[in-house]
Amino acid sequence: DTAVSQTPKYLVTQMGNDKSIKCEQNLGHDTMYWYKQDSKKFLKIMFSYNNKELIINETVPNRFSPKSPDKAHLNLHINSLELGDSAVYFCASSRKGITDTQYFGPGTRLTVL
Amino acid sequence: SQKIEQNSEALNIQEGKTATLTCNYTNYSPAYLQWYRQDPGRGPVFLLLIRENEKEKRKERLKVTFDTTLKQSLFHITASQPADSATYLCALDINNAGNMLTFGGGTRLMVKP
Repeated sequence: DTAVSQTPKYLVTQMGNDKSIKCEQNLGHDTMYWYKQDSKKFLKIMFSYNNKELIINETVPNRFSPKSPDKAHLNLHINSLELGDSAVYFCASSRKGITDTQYFGPGTRLTVL
Repeated sequence: SQKIEQNSEALNIQEGKTATLTCNYTNYSPAYLQWYRQDPGRGPVFLLLIRENEKEKRKERLKVTFDTTLKQSLFHITASQPADSATYLCALDINNAGNMLTFGGGTRLMVKP
């Protein structure tokens, strides 16, 4: 029973392509997040959604567009991929926001060639 | 500049000893601080949350302290085991806006048998 799942686990693609990463949580949480972890292992928040509404959009290029079709899903679409987009992307969820425990997905390792 | 500092060098200790990891922050007055564990190739897993009015919190072999004067949290693992080897991340809400966690860079702990 995976709490937060992401697909795919690995994504290798060429520069300039468009790709999507899917995230689903079965915890009934209201808030979902996307984080990026770079090669130096820094984990930085990208987006936060609460009940399908965007709460945070940190300084992320507008090539990145999150989409939340319902409370249990938060997908990340990336246009015109660049080399610098290579990283591990984590989806997470929490019950009521960041004062609650955040549950992370297994991550998606994106490699842009 | 780094807003939350954790020792970027790996901490190597002998099994059975107490591991102590440090998280320092500057210029903020967070209401709480969280600690997470991250294993290679996996998402972070929540361990403990400590609030500003709590000096210390314990969970099994884990102990966290929070000194708001020193702007520092210490994370202790007593009777450490090789299975405790992982990267440990601290995180706090630097804006106190209740919507965004900022993570430190993590400290890698290696417990040798």
